[in-house]
Amino acid sequence: AQSVTQLGSHVSVSEGALVLLRCNYSSSVPPYLFWYVQYPNQGLQLLLKYTSAATLVKGINGFEAEFKKSETSFHLTKPSAHMSDAAEYFCAVSEWRNQGGKLIFGQGTELSVKP
Amino acid sequence: EAGVAQSPRYKIIEKRQSVAFWCNPISGHATLYWYQQILGQGPKLLIQFQNNGVVDDSQLPKDRFSAERLKGVDSTLKIQPAKLEDSAVYLCASRGWVAYQETQYFGPGTRLLVL
Repeated sequence: AQSVTQLGSHVSVSEGALVLLRCNYSSSVPPYLFWYVQYPNQGLQLLLKYTSAATLVKGINGFEAEFKKSETSFHLTKPSAHMSDAAEYFCAVSEWRNQGGKLIFGQGTELSVKP
Repeated sequence: EAGVAQSPRYKIIEKRQSVAFWCNPISGHATLYWYQQILGQGPKLLIQFQNNGVVDDSQLPKDRFSAERLKGVDSTLKIQPAKLEDSAVYLCASRGWVAYQETQYFGPGTRLLVL
């Protein structure tokens, strides 16, 4: 069975600092991996996804993530945090044979950005 | 392109009452999902439709939850009778092609409070 673990339910950074949100996955088959962002009272917006091509994936709003098979990780980073990045971030996994199919989500990490 | 539409956005009911949520996916998207997001947790799939057929409803509490997608477009999710633990955000998503890859798009959700 597939699963996702996000380390840290809450991360706080200063504006301009590096953002690092951690995600580890478990999957018996090659996974597809996703990061979604959720702003208050809104739905989920796709930031980026890994679908077995390049291991370093660039997404929207300056975010990127690196797939590391040996570490079963897919951590999300951004070099310089903006106040507008404050939101809830979810890592998700899906079976590679069904890349747009059922998503298994982590519990989420709330990112706070201090001025 | 219009996004996934959901209504109502908010609903407050008392336990044992019934409630229904509506979802209109992006035009042309054959696959539709309903997720339940309890406060502090990641979304969990309740049911997946392909056109008007059910693909996966293994996580749907069928004694109280029901869903339909009669014409392969709009969908409704019903809870009858509601319990306190059903308080959550109910997210609808549909799946379609963007840049030669399939992607899930989420609606804004319906926030349900059961008193």
